[in-house]
Amino acid sequence: SQTIHQWPATLVQPVGSPLSLECTVEGTSNPNLYWYRQAAGRGLQLLFYSVGIGQISSEVPQNLSASRPQDRQFILSSKKLLLSDSGFYLCAWSASGHGTDTQYFGPGTRLTVL
Amino acid sequence: KNQVEQSPQSLIILEGKNCTLQCNYTVSPFSNLRWYKQDTGRGPVSLTIMTFSENTKSNGRYTATLDADTKQSSLHITASQLSDSASYICVVRTSGGSYIPTFGRGTSLIVHP
Repeated sequence: SQTIHQWPATLVQPVGSPLSLECTVEGTSNPNLYWYRQAAGRGLQLLFYSVGIGQISSEVPQNLSASRPQDRQFILSSKKLLLSDSGFYLCAWSASGHGTDTQYFGPGTRLTVL
Repeated sequence: KNQVEQSPQSLIILEGKNCTLQCNYTVSPFSNLRWYKQDTGRGPVSLTIMTFSENTKSNGRYTATLDADTKQSSLHITASQLSDSASYICVVRTSGGSYIPTFGRGTSLIVHP
């Protein structure tokens, strides 16, 4: 069966510090991968998605970046965190294709920038 | 612009009661509509999926309806339980090959004993 992992589960970082969140998927090949952010009381905001290794599409201009160094690994990064980067970050995967399949979400990372 | 609007924003009910959550969308062309349940501090989990030709889909005590003509969907929860306390998110996809779904902001449901 497929599983999706995210770490760390929680993170507290000072403003201006770097960020690296990791997401890995097991039990499937060539998945579509997604990074979402969910601010308190708000809906899910798509940040990045990837349909293959090295292929990243950005939906929202910001100081975050994403990379996909391996087929089932998706990394969210920042060189300098802002207070507004605080939120709940979710990684998700769906079967390859036109993205019409169900998205399966990871457990999330709670990021607090102080 | 593709949009998904959910109502109410929040809802409090007593255990054992029924409730209905609403979702209106303007996504076009329409492919499918999903309802997700998101427990606090967890990732969303899919409850139901409906395509254009489906009017009703059930998953245990959850029943989703879809009216593609009026672009409305509802999620009915029967005999609510404390574990139903969560955020319920309506998500709509287009049929244009887009990888990007349109998410509603969710309805926060609290079930009190």
